[in-house]
Amino acid sequence: GAVVSQHPSRVICKSGTSVKIECRSLDFQATTMFWYRQFPKKSLMLMATSNEGSKATYEQGVEKDKFLINHASLTLSTLTVTSAHPEDSSFYICSALIATSGTYEQYFGPGTRLTVT
Amino acid sequence: GENVEQHPSTLSVQEGDSAVIKCTYSDSASNYFPWYKQELGKRPQLIIDIRSNVGEKKDQRIAVTLNKTAKHFSLHITETQPEDSAVYFCAAGYSTLTFGKGTMLLVSP
Repeated sequence: GAVVSQHPSRVICKSGTSVKIECRSLDFQATTMFWYRQFPKKSLMLMATSNEGSKATYEQGVEKDKFLINHASLTLSTLTVTSAHPEDSSFYICSALIATSGTYEQYFGPGTRLTVT
Repeated sequence: GENVEQHPSTLSVQEGDSAVIKCTYSDSASNYFPWYKQELGKRPQLIIDIRSNVGEKKDQRIAVTLNKTAKHFSLHITETQPEDSAVYFCAAGYSTLTFGKGTMLLVSP
């Protein structure tokens, strides 16, 4: 089956520092990955679409200079939260897109719990 | 863009009862409608999906129906079990998905 990993699973950082989160597709190549943010007891909010070899597409209201996305290979996308602040504390989840004969499915990573102190 | 509404936000049932969760969407171009189950602190897991050329799909105790004319789709869980307790999300789209706000399902023994 399609397996997506995410690292780290939990991270605590101090305000003003940067944190990098990795999303990997383990058994397939993903030209497209997505980054979501999820607040407690809330839905998944799409932050950006990450395309291999090109710039990410950010959703309205998401600061691209704060949430840097790099999709350097077909199996790895990274999200860097720059100059993190307590309000950036959240559950960040990536997903990878599998396209088969014109149909699409998204498979999610296990998520990263970010706490900014 | 797409807008997905999901109801109810919480649903409590007795073990063995059926549970139904309903979603509506706004973009007629959407043709992929997956359902995800998310347990606390874990990743969303795809449990069933339906595409616009199909009206109904069933997988054991889980079924999904789609009405493209009315732009709504529903998840049906029969013979619910305590382990079905989780948050369920519907989504609509194509390659990019828009998620509903989720339904917290609680199945009591």
